[in-house]
Amino acid sequence: ETVMTQSPATLSVSPGERATLSCRASQSVTSKLAWYQQKPGQALRLLIYAASTRATGIPARFSGSGSGTEFTLTISTLQSEDFAVYYCQQYNNWPPAFGRGTTVEI
Amino acid sequence: EVYLVESGGGLVQPGGSLRLSCVASGFTLSSYDMNWVRQAPGKGLEWVSYINTLSSSSYYADSVKGRFAISRDNAKNSLYLQMNSLRAEDTAVYYCARDAVEPLIREVYMDVWGKGTTVTVSS
Repeated sequence: ETVMTQSPATLSVSPGERATLSCRASQSVTSKLAWYQQKPGQALRLLIYAASTRATGIPARFSGSGSGTEFTLTISTLQSEDFAVYYCQQYNNWPPAFGRGTTVEI
Repeated sequence: EVYLVESGGGLVQPGGSLRLSCVASGFTLSSYDMNWVRQAPGKGLEWVSYINTLSSSSYYADSVKGRFAISRDNAKNSLYLQMNSLRAEDTAVYYCARDAVEPLIREVYMDVWGKGTTVTVSS
């Protein structure tokens, strides 16, 4: 089973700053990596799939990179609505597996 | 607009059963593989179960295998999760989620999520 490790657990940033979130897989997941955003009371939102492809309607300030075992989600200029919890998830190996999440806080 | 709405959660005693439902609107459920994902209080996300468009294949997390059963009724645009022999560790918010990968391919990432229904297992 593939274990996904996200770091840091919490990231404290100011609006307008850049945020960099990391996700590491215990074995190669090629480029089959997705990122999600979770906000209280809202449905989860798919941000990125295939490691670097933005989902429909996702702003260009969100970008993903990486392959194999190391991945990064970058939010170039944090907006107030971006403060949330972010999860990575691999879908190359069965079963699909999520990381424990990174909380981006003010 | 595309929606998934879950229902059926509640308080149940250990060893009890519960059936969750998920209704899709804004898209045709029969065109998509579907999943259940759960989130225990204060914890991260855990994939629970998958079913393909034809109901010919279904898969489960080891933690629920033999106790949970996923099903669908495409005519009713609905997905279900029958949960038996419930344990305290099954306490979670359960999300219904649409698989973004083309149908019948066993790869899972999810592009549409419901807001979840809460299951509490306690005496």
